[in-house]
Amino acid sequence: DTEVTQTPKHLVMGMTNKKSLKCEQHMGHRAMYWYKQKAKKPPELMFVYSYEKLSINESVPSRFSPECPNSSLLNLHLHALQPEDSALYLCASSQSDRGYEQYFGPGTRLTVT
Amino acid sequence: GENVEQHPSTLSVQEGDSAVIKCTYSDSASNYFPWYKQELGKRPQLIIDIRSNVGEKKDQRIAVTLNKTAKHFSLHITETQPEDSAVYFCAAYSWGKFQFGAGTQVVVTP
Repeated sequence: DTEVTQTPKHLVMGMTNKKSLKCEQHMGHRAMYWYKQKAKKPPELMFVYSYEKLSINESVPSRFSPECPNSSLLNLHLHALQPEDSALYLCASSQSDRGYEQYFGPGTRLTVT
Repeated sequence: GENVEQHPSTLSVQEGDSAVIKCTYSDSASNYFPWYKQELGKRPQLIIDIRSNVGEKKDQRIAVTLNKTAKHFSLHITETQPEDSAVYFCAAYSWGKFQFGAGTQVVVTP
């Protein structure tokens, strides 16, 4: 089973709202990732969690706040977003923090109004 | 940091022909090179990968070659089919993260 799941599939939020994106995997993977993808562009790395600890933050604005409650779950808390933050947010996981065989979830399509 | 260049940006092929996409990378520390296929509105899907200690890997109609000296790697798709139409991304892994190429839009015409 190579499935990573994400909820919700779509999200529309205003600039003053607070919302959360959720990601789950049950493959026993120890590294989890958040990416942002704009149309016709490659995924851009935001955060990496390795063994439930934040190991990489790609200078992401503080209005994005990641959380890893346990080895299977990854959340991305959103607050005071801007319209330019509208994008597809992808979660991914890999067995180790060496990145091999990284599998993506279906993504959350976020629209900020 | 790592920089990955991918060519061509678009590729149109006749069904049954072969398609080749090329990527170059800059960081000699990169040691893992996956290829992802992304259909419109769907997630990137890992289709094949290669580690730095291997020169070539094949899986049915797709193959990847790696030239570490020249720092480039390529995806080869043979006997293309309409369902191969998608955007293909190469990536190079170093220092805990991937750097993706800009992507290649492949269109297979019947």
